[in-house]
Amino acid sequence: DTGVSQDPRHKITKRGQNVTFRCDPISEHNRLYWYRQTLGQGPEFLTYFQNEAQLEKSRLLSDRFSAERPKGSFSTLEIQRTEQGDSAMYLCASSLVVWETQYFGPGTRLLVL
Amino acid sequence: KQEVTQIPAALSVPEGENLVLNCSFTDSAIYNLQWFRQDPGKGLTSLLLIQSSQREQTSGRLNASLDKSSGRSTLYIAASQPGDSATYLCAALNTNSGKSTFGDGTTLTVKP
Repeated sequence: DTGVSQDPRHKITKRGQNVTFRCDPISEHNRLYWYRQTLGQGPEFLTYFQNEAQLEKSRLLSDRFSAERPKGSFSTLEIQRTEQGDSAMYLCASSLVVWETQYFGPGTRLLVL
Repeated sequence: KQEVTQIPAALSVPEGENLVLNCSFTDSAIYNLQWFRQDPGKGLTSLLLIQSSQREQTSGRLNASLDKSSGRSTLYIAASQPGDSATYLCAALNTNSGKSTFGDGTTLTVKP
């Protein structure tokens, strides 16, 4: 059990560019969550997957955000046409089933210039 | 819509003191209530998870309680140490949406 991993750990990009983040959950965890966290705030829910199915998506997510989890394994979060307001820590978490402990990865810190 | 509030936002105590962190939530239709620790610039580390049918959970110097009827949870830390300094977050996992709502955390400083 190697824990949840995220890549990259840091990303600096210019406004208008596209970025993609990857999350590898704990093996055999069916649930995978994406959150966004800004300084001084708690994590804010973005979306979650049950295996490969995306079950819920926050209304905070604009059409510029998309997430996938092909084959129910790793997941990617893409942000198109980045804006300065997208600067935040993007966190991924996984759990075996819905009511069990969520384990978080180290996060990807995004800075949009 | 679930709302989670943590009070106080910041807390500073001398080493060795016992302390209580508070978490309140507005919607009692939850699977569980989870407490996390976050160090600056890092991800979240799970501390304790209380299922909706449980009243409390203990791990070492930590004890978490849950009162669904009043919409409250507390995290008790015994004999605090400087290494306990971090931000503590609680999260309620809702049954109707399957998503977690986090509070904004309590930043704890334990002074030697």
